[in-house]
Amino acid sequence: DGGITQSPKYLFRKEGQNVTLSCEQNLNHDAMYWYRQDPGQGLRLIYYSQIVNDFQKGDIAEGYSVSREKKESFPLTVTSAQKNPTAFYLCASSPRAYGYTFGSGTRLTVV
Amino acid sequence: DQQVKQNSPSLSVQEGRISILNCDYTNSMFDYFLWYKKYPAEGPTFLISISSIKDKNEDGRFTVFLNKSAKHLSLHIVPSQPGDSAVYFCAASVDRGSTLGRLYFGRGTQLTVWP
Repeated sequence: DGGITQSPKYLFRKEGQNVTLSCEQNLNHDAMYWYRQDPGQGLRLIYYSQIVNDFQKGDIAEGYSVSREKKESFPLTVTSAQKNPTAFYLCASSPRAYGYTFGSGTRLTVV
Repeated sequence: DQQVKQNSPSLSVQEGRISILNCDYTNSMFDYFLWYKKYPAEGPTFLISISSIKDKNEDGRFTVFLNKSAKHLSLHIVPSQPGDSAVYFCAASVDRGSTLGRLYFGRGTQLTVWP
């Protein structure tokens, strides 16, 4: 079955550490996206990528980094520069402007 | 600046009655609109969409209405069921035919359907 997989589902990070969230899709979608959800804030775009080896900043890219070395994979690194990283992170993919398929999300907590 | 707005953070409806979720947008370039449903600790799932060339789209119990002049869309759920209880996100995109595909989301409305 085709789908989009995020791992891990729960992640704990100490302050000052970088952490990488995984996102893999086997839907053969061109575009991939990372969103962050906070209570009352809705979904805010962090980074997106339309093709391999290319990506663009979204609305809240500071403190995050991404790579797109393969079409199937779009990992997100939350760096120590991100001041408030505790949130629910959602990865999505899209076959060109027809709406997203979302992963099940990763809950990141800074301890 | 929020280009897609859902001004009601919550809505409570009795089972069997109609649920109406509202969404407003400010960008006149938006030409495709979607609704997503989200349960806690899960990713959103696509519910229904509408192109700007239409004013209504129906799928079973779900109907989306678009009023372009008012920059307003609404999602009607009839009849509402307890399993519909979730957060509903309104989303919009510019230039649907492009390769960009970026969606702009509202903040969501928590729908609670009680027996």
